[in-house]
Amino acid sequence: IAGITQAPTSQILAAGRRMTLRCTQDMRHNAMYWYRQDLGLGLRLIHYSNTAGTTGKGEVPDGYSVSRANTDDFPLTLASAVPSQTSVYFCASSRTSGKSEQFFGPGTRLTVL
Amino acid sequence: GQNIDQPTEMTATEGAIVQINCTYQTSGFNGLFWYQQHAGEAPTFLSYNVLDGLEEKGRFSSFLSRSKGYSYLLLKELQMKDSASYLCAVTDSNYQLIWGAGTKLIIKP
Repeated sequence: IAGITQAPTSQILAAGRRMTLRCTQDMRHNAMYWYRQDLGLGLRLIHYSNTAGTTGKGEVPDGYSVSRANTDDFPLTLASAVPSQTSVYFCASSRTSGKSEQFFGPGTRLTVL
Repeated sequence: GQNIDQPTEMTATEGAIVQINCTYQTSGFNGLFWYQQHAGEAPTFLSYNVLDGLEEKGRFSSFLSRSKGYSYLLLKELQMKDSASYLCAVTDSNYQLIWGAGTKLIIKP
């Protein structure tokens, strides 16, 4: 693989179910991010990781959790999905936090019914 | 609070020039990014400004005035493929990006 990948591409999920969105990068970037994008609201940061082993909360962290066990992977888990979590989710990575460009994965379109 | 303002939508003609403005109020400033996002796709990086002035890159240029909390993206010789949303984002004091809602640019023949 080259760059940053996400899985699944899209998913329809029943409310109350647990779901993990996967994100993997092969650029050896230190920082990784999860965003959600909703019409008219732009990108909103859910969680971030400045380096492997550390994570932080973004603007809209409630209902989501992340882990960063290694440099390459940064999964996002919805413990008990709710309809308001219907959105397009983007994973991104950058060489360092804040000063270098972010590279985005193709996105996961999630629908919670 | 932190706020980034961009026009919601702009229309321009193929071959023309268009300027997309961005104003920001953030807790600290460590740089401003512009990204392009085609419908249904991920954002891609266009430019980064950390000092005042104009950065030129081919048909695209980006300007920053830190004292005014203002930036613009200038697109020259517009092509139909430039139809996309353009996102302004500012790095705050915690080195996290604060994103504007984006400007949808429609190019007409």
